[in-house]
Amino acid sequence: GIQVEQSPPDLILQEGANSTLRCNFSDSVNNLQWFHQNPWGQLINLFYIPSGTKQNGRLSATTVATERYSLLYISSSQTTDSGVYFCAVGSSGGSNYKLTFGKGTLLTVNP
Amino acid sequence: EAEVAQSPRYKITEKSQAVAFWCDPISGHATLYWYRQILGQGPELLVQFQDESVVDDSQLPKDRFSAERLKGVDSTLKIQPAELGDSAMYLCASSRTGGGGYTFGSGTRLTVV
Repeated sequence: GIQVEQSPPDLILQEGANSTLRCNFSDSVNNLQWFHQNPWGQLINLFYIPSGTKQNGRLSATTVATERYSLLYISSSQTTDSGVYFCAVGSSGGSNYKLTFGKGTLLTVNP
Repeated sequence: EAEVAQSPRYKITEKSQAVAFWCDPISGHATLYWYRQILGQGPELLVQFQDESVVDDSQLPKDRFSAERLKGVDSTLKIQPAELGDSAMYLCASSRTGGGGYTFGSGTRLTVV
């Protein structure tokens, strides 16, 4: 099956700093999503971005499908950004839209 | 904003007992997923429904796990008998046909003692 690697595994920032999270995947995809899991376990969908660039406030994401990677940018980080960030990829086969998740990046933003 | 509802939020059960989780997806979302997340890892798909039909249950331990979505709306995931290794977060998600943006519920954190 498809492999998803995220880096770095852990990241510690001071409030206000910027960061870039990376997701590499082993095969062509037509579904890529970024999620934030808060300390209570809730997974929040940040972006559906199988290709191109999107921005939402302080967050933006870019996927270069031909080179099999995606980047998540967090600018002016806040303590509420802490948590685990997951990249998940999938390829459609019929009606199967299964996502394969990476192991995540644990982000800690200190005040 | 529409949400995926899950219950219970937490469940503690003894080994060999039966346990069930419930999920109500966002209205109009034809595709429903059950994922299991072990502490420190990413979620892994257990079963996917398209309306009331199972599309993928290749990773569902069918000797003890069962899932149903009888009317193509809400869904139940059951474990019988529960084992210590089943302790995990069980997450339900839904999406429109086409697998676009998933919406996850808050999950059920299961502890088997």
